Amino acid sequence: QSALTQPPSASGSPGQSVTISCTGTSSDVGGYNFVSWYQQHPGKAPRLMIYEVDKRPSGVPDRFSASKSGNTASLTVSGLQAEDEADYYCSSYGGINNYIAFGGGTTLTVL
Amino acid sequence: EEQVVESGGGLVKPGGSLRLSCAASEFYLGSYTMNWVRQAPGGGLEWVSSLSKTNLYIYHADSVKGRFTISRDNAKNSVYLQMNDLRVEDTAVYYCVRDGTRGYEFDLWGQGTLVTVSS
Repeated sequence: QSALTQPPSASGSPGQSVTISCTGTSSDVGGYNFVSWYQQHPGKAPRLMIYEVDKRPSGVPDRFSASKSGNTASLTVSGLQAEDEADYYCSSYGGINNYIAFGGGTTLTVL
Repeated sequence: EEQVVESGGGLVKPGGSLRLSCAASEFYLGSYTMNWVRQAPGGGLEWVSSLSKTNLYIYHADSVKGRFTISRDNAKNSVYLQMNDLRVEDTAVYYCVRDGTRGYEFDLWGQGTLVTVSS
């Protein structure tokens, strides 16, 4: 199974917005609307932030938004807060031959 | 509060076996597809195995195919990962993860259990 491509790092100042990309192929990100995003703080389990490309589970602040265009999905964090500093991972369903692929992760730093 | 709790991790020699367990509480595990996801030290997330709620569909990552087997016991509200022929590269924290009912999203994660493969 191939991993999705994410930038290793991203940063922004408090109050600013930052966007993290996640690039796959037509066999995963581009082929299905089953892209999810996870937040992981050091030493903690991941937390679901976005599912089905752009939907937020209850309890996730609306500062977190996401979209998809072609084979690339994006997560935007607006109004950055110190607590947003974490690792972010995208994932996508990839059919029966590549069931679930994760991105390599992006470390978001709040300056 | 709904939760899953993993157990069974530890130190094992290359070529050895280990069985991880995941116990669910406050929800019926049999109504969900269940998964195992691992994270090597300092590394990213890697999906390992999935078992559908009907037990009809089982998927394993290429990296573990033929060595790992996922199963469940609904009566015990538990899911398992039998790991055979372990390799150094299998060293990771293994998370038991519930698949949400919407679309291949992992909505409930355990705290993980560490598996270390070393001689």
